[in-house]
Amino acid sequence: GAVVSQHPSWVICKSGTSVKIECRSLDFQATTMFWYRQFPKQSLMLMATSNEGSKATYEQGVEKDKFLINHASLTLSTLTVTSAHPEDSSFYICSARDSLLVSGETQYFGPGTRLLVL
Amino acid sequence: QKEVEQDPGPLSVPEGAIVSLNCTYSNSAFQYFMWYRQYSRKGPELLMYTYSSGNKEDGRFTAQVDKSSKYISLFIRDSQPSDSATYLCAMILSSKLIFGTGTRLQVFP
Repeated sequence: GAVVSQHPSWVICKSGTSVKIECRSLDFQATTMFWYRQFPKQSLMLMATSNEGSKATYEQGVEKDKFLINHASLTLSTLTVTSAHPEDSSFYICSARDSLLVSGETQYFGPGTRLLVL
Repeated sequence: QKEVEQDPGPLSVPEGAIVSLNCTYSNSAFQYFMWYRQYSRKGPELLMYTYSSGNKEDGRFTAQVDKSSKYISLFIRDSQPSDSATYLCAMILSSKLIFGTGTRLQVFP
């Protein structure tokens, strides 16, 4: 149980284009999902918290107009990197929280999406 | 001072060894404590979670929490080459996960 998927796993795009990444909880409902960014050999950096049916909460320093988050259902959140530039190249990972579990605070992570902007 | 301190390693051990991974933290408000394993270019995988001080065992893994010392540990018994990965400790504060930097572990045959 507690499986989270991400799509795509790999994306290469040209500078200036927008890229959408999907995060799905496959066997549970996730009222809250999180988006992280990870640079090589570094830990995960929280970008934003996504709550189903409401606006995302962004961490300090993260541009909300740059990284659009939509959490339209209890099993799907999307992150759109708008007008991507080479500095946006990174490993993006989502996580989901199953609030029905006893360990409701535990987050389950997706496999990540590697974005390369040329 | 970081909220969560973790030795980045790398830690290199022979197959079959007992591995001890540790984290210290500064904020006594931290509640849930977790250990994640992350293979290269993959998302973190939850190994253990615990709420209270004491030990929790799951197969070859034992998680230990000492709230009075603000210290958590993960022990891996009979380590295998497949355990080679980065191990991240994490703690919950205000529903957010606060990660350690991760310890890179290599188990050689």
